[in-house]
Amino acid sequence: AQKVTQAQTEISVVEKEDVTLDCVYETRDTTYYLFWYKQPPSGELVFLIRRNSFDEQNEISGRYSWNFQKSTSSFNFTITASQVVDSAVYFCALGSGNTGKLIFGQGTTLQVKP
Amino acid sequence: DAGVIQSPRHEVTEMGQEVTLRCKPISGHNSLFWYRQTMMRGLELLIYFNNNVPIDDSGMPEDRFSAKMPNASFSTLKIQPSEPRDSAVYFCASSLGTGWDTEAFFGQGTRLTVV
Repeated sequence: AQKVTQAQTEISVVEKEDVTLDCVYETRDTTYYLFWYKQPPSGELVFLIRRNSFDEQNEISGRYSWNFQKSTSSFNFTITASQVVDSAVYFCALGSGNTGKLIFGQGTTLQVKP
Repeated sequence: DAGVIQSPRHEVTEMGQEVTLRCKPISGHNSLFWYRQTMMRGLELLIYFNNNVPIDDSGMPEDRFSAKMPNASFSTLKIQPSEPRDSAVYFCASSLGTGWDTEAFFGQGTRLTVV
């Protein structure tokens, strides 16, 4: 079975704190892709990153970084020096097989307080 | 490009009425997806088209739901008859290919309320 688990339902931090959003996935496929999407209060889903299962290199993009570890089936997302504008729901998703289907986690609501 | 365009943004309808949601994918994209977001079930795929052909409709909840893609630039999701439990945000997304080496871009969603 394919599954994505985001155990943290809600996280609240104060501005400038670092925060890590956890994502654990399950799949039997050897080739798969992992994604993070951001859903701000306005409601749209914004693509953040895609990683394939053969590339475990961590990635940094500005204040965002991602840690992919196949050994623990995790793809965690860290925001450094959080800002109020980072407040949103963040979704981790798994894409595998040839159906085009993305399996989403339940999302983590991040609230960054000034 | 204007991105994926969905209409209407909000829809309120009475139980039993027919509802049609519309989507215009990004030009040149050949895969189109309809997702539904609810508090209880989160984001779930309803149906997926590739080159205007439905590939996977296993997520369509029941026969009241139907989706069409008559051409590469337009798709509809119809609910007939609608029920209160259909209330949700419906997202359309498109991507350049069928593989996972391209990401899906989402529209702003249609918030459907069935009373």
